[in-house]
Amino acid sequence: KQEVTQIPAALSVPEGENLVLNCSFTDSAIYNLQWFRQDPGKGLTSLLLIQSSQREQTSGRLNASLDKSSGRSTLYIAASQPGDSATYLCAVSAGNMLTFGGGTRLMVKP
Amino acid sequence: EAGVAQSPRYKIIEKRQSVAFWCNPISGHATLYWYQQILGQGPKLLIQFQNNGVVDDSQLPKDRFSAERLKGVDSTLKIQPAKLEDSAVYLCASSLRLAGVETQYFGPGTRLLVL
Repeated sequence: KQEVTQIPAALSVPEGENLVLNCSFTDSAIYNLQWFRQDPGKGLTSLLLIQSSQREQTSGRLNASLDKSSGRSTLYIAASQPGDSATYLCAVSAGNMLTFGGGTRLMVKP
Repeated sequence: EAGVAQSPRYKIIEKRQSVAFWCNPISGHATLYWYQQILGQGPKLLIQFQNNGVVDDSQLPKDRFSAERLKGVDSTLKIQPAKLEDSAVYLCASSLRLAGVETQYFGPGTRLLVL
């Protein structure tokens, strides 16, 4: 059974810092890995999707990497802003089924 | 393009009462999912529909939860009777497959509090 773990569970940083969120998964037989953002009272917004054959994806200040063999992914956020404050979830896909980690709650202080 | 719609947004009930949630997926999306997200945890899949057929309901507590998707469009999720541990956000998602990649789009969720 796939298990996804995210560390840390919560993170508070001053504005402008670069930061890394970690995700690990137990079964490397995945189709892809996604990072989502969840704002309070809102649904999930997909940020980046990395196919199992890919090593990384970039979108603006976000960069996600995937090391399938070690069961790890990182989400790098450059020059963090208060608007980045949210919960970040990673999810791995086997077919249509997504298995989510518990999330990292990020607070970026002005 | 309209997103996934869910109602109600919030619901407070007492234990042993019944409750129902409604989801309207994005037009043309054949696959629909219901997730349960307990506070501080990631979403957990409850049930997946492909059109109006069930693909996976292995994590649905069938003694109290039921779901249907009539005509392969809207879906309802029901809890009867509710327990305290059912307090959570219930997320609906629909998906589209493009270039071999299945992308799920999530609704805002229904926040349920069972007292």
